[in-house]
Amino acid sequence: DVKVTQSSRYLVKRTGEKVFLECVQDMDHENMFWYRQDPGLGLRLIYFSYDVKMKEKGDIPEGYSVSREKKERFSLILESASTNQTSMYLCASRGNVDTGSRQETQYFGPGTRLLVL
Amino acid sequence: AQKVTQAQTEISVVEKEDVTLDCVYETRDTTYYLFWYKQPPSGELVFLIRRNSFDEQNEISGRYSWNFQKSTSSFNFTITASQVVDSAVYFCALRSSYKLIFGSGTRLLVRP
Repeated sequence: DVKVTQSSRYLVKRTGEKVFLECVQDMDHENMFWYRQDPGLGLRLIYFSYDVKMKEKGDIPEGYSVSREKKERFSLILESASTNQTSMYLCASRGNVDTGSRQETQYFGPGTRLLVL
Repeated sequence: AQKVTQAQTEISVVEKEDVTLDCVYETRDTTYYLFWYKQPPSGELVFLIRRNSFDEQNEISGRYSWNFQKSTSSFNFTITASQVVDSAVYFCALRSSYKLIFGSGTRLLVRP
């Protein structure tokens, strides 16, 4: 079974703090994603990565950065947390199309609920 | 433009009732994938089913069934004999490139 894990289920930080959200997948997937989910706004893509050290901006990258030093790990960084970054953060991974039909599916981690005070 | 519409914001049923969640999508691509995910109160998005645009066969998995109709651009999800554990938010999603486009979700409440 595919497993995507996130470092914390709940996190409370103060405005201005640097925040790291870690995501690890065990399926050797090439692609990894970070979303945030907010009531009334649905799921929005922040960043994604299609290979080690590669990253692409999603729909709402402002205020975030990412790091992918190893294939299995994708980190989301809030350089200076603000209250409007209070949200549910979801990580996902997906294999490449040409490596099998199951690779079309994006699998999600359990989510991190971040509260910025 | 690509879009997924889940017109039902919230549905409430009594246990053992059948319920259908609607999903309508828009895309100009000929190759695409459709998905349903379940999000229970714990927050995790659980994958339920994937369908590719070339496979219009309906699928049944236990109490769950899916009806994919390209002619109406719909991918509806039916739960037969609903149970309290089915209470969750259900998302329909579309993918044709790198990006997964989600609908706004339907909150299903199954009352005992």
